[in-house]
Amino acid sequence: GIQVEQSPPDLILQEGANSTLRCNFSDSVNNLQWFHQNPWGQLINLFYIPSGTKQNGRLSATTVATERYSLLYISSSQTTDSGVYFCAVRSGSGNTGKLIFGQGTTLQVKP
Amino acid sequence: DTGVSQNPRHKITKRGQNVTFRCDPISEHNRLYWYRQTLGQGPEFLTYFQNEAQLEKSRLLSDRFSAERPKGSFSTLEIQRTEQGDSAMYLCASSGSGKGYTFGSGTRLTVV
Repeated sequence: GIQVEQSPPDLILQEGANSTLRCNFSDSVNNLQWFHQNPWGQLINLFYIPSGTKQNGRLSATTVATERYSLLYISSSQTTDSGVYFCAVRSGSGNTGKLIFGQGTTLQVKP
Repeated sequence: DTGVSQNPRHKITKRGQNVTFRCDPISEHNRLYWYRQTLGQGPEFLTYFQNEAQLEKSRLLSDRFSAERPKGSFSTLEIQRTEQGDSAMYLCASSGSGKGYTFGSGTRLTVV
């Protein structure tokens, strides 16, 4: 099945710093999402981005489907950005409905 | 649109007991998914429904697990004869055509 790798596994930032999170996947995809999991376990959808670039406030994401990677940019980080960021993909091969998650990047933003 | 709702939020049960969780998806979404997440891991797929049909099941879904989605609306996930290894967060999500997944807040199960 499709493999999803996220890097870095852990990231510590000072408030105000910028960061880039990466997601590599091993096969073609027809769905890619970035999620933020808050301390209470809720998965918040950040971007639905199987290809192209999107921006939402201080966050932006780019997926280069032909090269099988996606990037999540966080600018001017705030302490409320802390948590785990997951990339999840649905394979474009076969007829599957499931999203496969990476292991996540744990971000800690210090004041 | 009130989002995906899951009940209960927390469940503590004794080993060997049966438990049932409920998920109410976003009303216009025809697809519904169940995932399980353990500490430090990403969510793992369990099963998904399109309307009332269960189309895909993971090998993680042992014989003790059963999921239903009668009438293509809400869904239930039952675990029979719970084991300590079943302790996890159980997440439900729904999606519509060409749209991303929306997750609920999850049900945290603790088996003692």
